[in-house]
Amino acid sequence: DAGVTQSPTHLIKTRGQQVTLRCSPISGHKSVSWYQQVLGQGPQFIFQYYEKEERGRGNFPDRFSARQFPNYSSELNVNALLLGDSALYLCASSLGLAGRGVGELFFGEGSRLTVL
Amino acid sequence: KNEVEQSPQNLTAQEGEFITINCSYSVGISALHWLQQHPGGGIVSLFMLSSGKKKHGRLIATINIQEKHSSLHITASHPRDSAVYICAVPAAWDNNDMRFGAGTRLTVKP
Repeated sequence: DAGVTQSPTHLIKTRGQQVTLRCSPISGHKSVSWYQQVLGQGPQFIFQYYEKEERGRGNFPDRFSARQFPNYSSELNVNALLLGDSALYLCASSLGLAGRGVGELFFGEGSRLTVL
Repeated sequence: KNEVEQSPQNLTAQEGEFITINCSYSVGISALHWLQQHPGGGIVSLFMLSSGKKKHGRLIATINIQEKHSSLHITASHPRDSAVYICAVPAAWDNNDMRFGAGTRLTVKP
């Protein structure tokens, strides 16, 4: 069975541009979460979608947005890119919710974004 | 003070040594997660535990809920265990808002 897939794996953008990152969850998983990991730090929660509804949002500006499609895949959009947006963006899918103790997270390989 | 703190930040061991990585947290409900991140960036879930102890192969995870502390042990360490180990706890009941430690970078030398 395919794991969580993310695309693109690497991309380079310039300041002010916009980027769209994509994630396909494990078949049967209805939850997709997005995390940003800056070099040398642990990941930080950006968004979660469960059954196509936003279930949580981390402390990120409105330049960050996301959506989940009927097939449970998801896109993360970042507008007006800043140098500080350079990071590894990780997508994780789960059957349930981590907060309820039933949401083991399955991560993709990540999309590494460099903003110049 | 970070919500999730790990120690040590970096750890170098000789093959065969017993490894311990510690995680202390001030937030978090339900189960604590131990994750492994390889140099390419991909993260693998190792354990999800809410009490006691779990074992998988050479890996053992323990948790003390009252003290808000968890440890990950690796017995008979091997160079392929070299990776960053991250602990994470859920911060909310109804979503996947996880708080992550900064990670412990383990290098096992042959």
